[in-house]
Amino acid sequence: GEDVEQSLFLSVREGDSSVINCTYTDSSSTYLYWYKQEPGAGLQLLTYIFSNMDMKQDQRLTVLLNKKDKHLSLRIADTQTGDSAIYFCAPQGDYGGATNKLIFGTGTLLAVQP
Amino acid sequence: DGGITQSPKYLFRKEGQNVTLSCEQNLNHDAMYWYRQDPGQGLRLIYYSQIVNDFQKGDIAEGYSVSREKKESFPLTVTSAQKNPTAFYLCASSIRGSTDTQYFGPGTRLTVL
Repeated sequence: GEDVEQSLFLSVREGDSSVINCTYTDSSSTYLYWYKQEPGAGLQLLTYIFSNMDMKQDQRLTVLLNKKDKHLSLRIADTQTGDSAIYFCAPQGDYGGATNKLIFGTGTLLAVQP
Repeated sequence: DGGITQSPKYLFRKEGQNVTLSCEQNLNHDAMYWYRQDPGQGLRLIYYSQIVNDFQKGDIAEGYSVSREKKESFPLTVTSAQKNPTAFYLCASSIRGSTDTQYFGPGTRLTVL
């Protein structure tokens, strides 16, 4: 079945760049999303990239997609303490159903040290 | 103020009791979803509905039931048949279209004692 893998933990210093990586198995993914979750809260949509793009930039966020290797990354420039959260990679595709289904990784906990 | 609301934020129930979690959206979205999140894990899809009066099982539907009588509302019932119901439950909605981007509610934490 479909699978999404992320490293569990990343620690960076305030002001540095953070890079969160994700690999996925299903090449039928059309849109690939990044969500942010703060403690005890729901998921906040950060950004997404269409599968025919290699890169998308949105203010401090840069998404890179290597479709051949099925690798997605999220770079956060000038990381702030408010960026500390869990980040989920979620490819979307028609995984055997009638709806565009999201498959979630385990999430990467980003800890920003002041 | 548009958005997705879930209530209550925290819910405690005794083992063997059914409990219903509320999800309401005023975004005029067609599709709604229920996910379950366990500690250290990603989200798993329980049920989804693309249109009023229709819904489909997700990956872990056993022990859960839903209804979709109104576009704005998609309540989830956790029945006594669900073997391990303690979890964080998240509702989402999306417009059916090219991206189907899902937007999430704040979640309900259910603890079964």
